[in-house]
Parts: sequence; C-alpha cells; structure tokens
Amino acid sequence: QVQLQESGPGLVKPSETLSLTCTVSGGSISSHYWIWIRQPPGKGLEWIGNIYYTGSTYSNPSLKSRVTFSLDMSKNQFSLKMTSVTAADTAVYYCAKGDWGYRRGSPQFWFDPWGQGTLVTVSS
Amino acid sequence: SYELTQPPSVSVSPGQTASITCSGDKLGDKYACWYQQKPGQSPLLVIYQDNKRPSGIPERFSGSNSGDTATLTISGTQAMDEADYYCQAWDSSTAVFGGGTKLTVL
Repeated sequence: QVQLQESGPGLVKPSETLSLTCTVSGGSISSHYWIWIRQPPGKGLEWIGNIYYTGSTYSNPSLKSRVTFSLDMSKNQFSLKMTSVTAADTAVYYCAKGDWGYRRGSPQFWFDPWGQGTLVTVSS
Repeated sequence: SYELTQPPSVSVSPGQTASITCSGDKLGDKYACWYQQKPGQSPLLVIYQDNKRPSGIPERFSGSNSGDTATLTISGTQAMDEADYYCQAWDSSTAVFGGGTKLTVL
C-alpha cells in the first residue's frame, strides 16, 4: 500500500522559495500522477498541481507562475518549489497520489492516498 | 473559473441519513469525488467517479451525480462520521474543490 511523507522547512521568509519533498513508499513513482495540495489554517483545500512520471504537469493557474514540480526516480521522491512566498502561502501542504478515469473523453483526477501534511509558515 | 458550492454545515441525528450536496455548472458531465477530513488529520477519499467506494470505506457511504449537483449520502450515520467533507471535480485541466461542509452528528 502506497504511503507518502512530506518533508521540508517549517518556516520560510517572505520573498524566499518554499521547497518541499514527498517520499513515496510501498510503490514506485514510475506510474500514476503525483499531487500537491495545500490548506491554509482553518480554511479549505487548494490544489497546487500534478506531475506525471514522464514529467508532464498540470498547475493551478493562480499559482502556475511561481511553482515548479520535479521527480527523483532514484529516491522515489517528487518535489515542489514555490517562489516569492508571502504570508498568504502559509498552509499545511499535502502530497498525494493521483488516479484518473475518462469522462466524455477528458481525464478526471482524484487523489488517494494523502500524506500526513506539513505546516509551512511564511514569516520573517 | 469553475466553482463548486457546498453548504457550510449539515446536521444529522445518529442512525439517520445525511446528505451533502455539491453544485457546479454541468457537474454531471464530470466525475465528482468526496473527501472526509477529521480534525488534525489529512483528507481521506470516500467516493470517487461519482459513486465508487475505495477499499475500506463503509457501505453506508454512497454518491450520485447528475445535472448540476453531486450528492454524498451517509446512511445510518455514526458519531465517527462527524467531519468536514469536500467535493472535488476536474475542469479544464484544473482540479477544483468545494468549500467544504461540516457534518455534525447530534
């Protein structure tokens, strides 16, 4: 059974770059999509983006200019970088595995399982 | 951009049926899925592809999706089902979440 674990700094300064890694165990990242989602304290879920093992990606349009996704097959990890962070980027960041099916010819994704999440605070 | 709308809160008595709705333009043309999130925990997928249950999810959880509305139904609601529930769909290469519904089991 696939398990995911996020890791990275819990505190990032404004205007700097947030970097997180998700380590996958119990399965290979050489299949499926791999997902980043965040949740500001006390608020709802916000999708950040997907990366496929081939390197193709989907990104939230509102974040696309600031985010980069990458894979490390040798370590069975995938990563998120978000530049120019502000206090509004303070959130619990989750990684997840993505599966999909086709509806009217279009891929439709769902996310399962999720990692436990890691809180990232943006503050000086 | 595409939006999904959920009621902020739903209350149900133990043993009764809870229904949580998720509304979006032509949502029935997309797959809807549902996540349960308990305090301090990460979200858990309870329904995908409108009405399929992942392994380990109790049969009391069911889903439907037609027209502009997807519905999560919990039959014989138990105290352990008290949680936040989020719907999610995929539109124009983007994942969209509803704002979440707090289910209270009174």
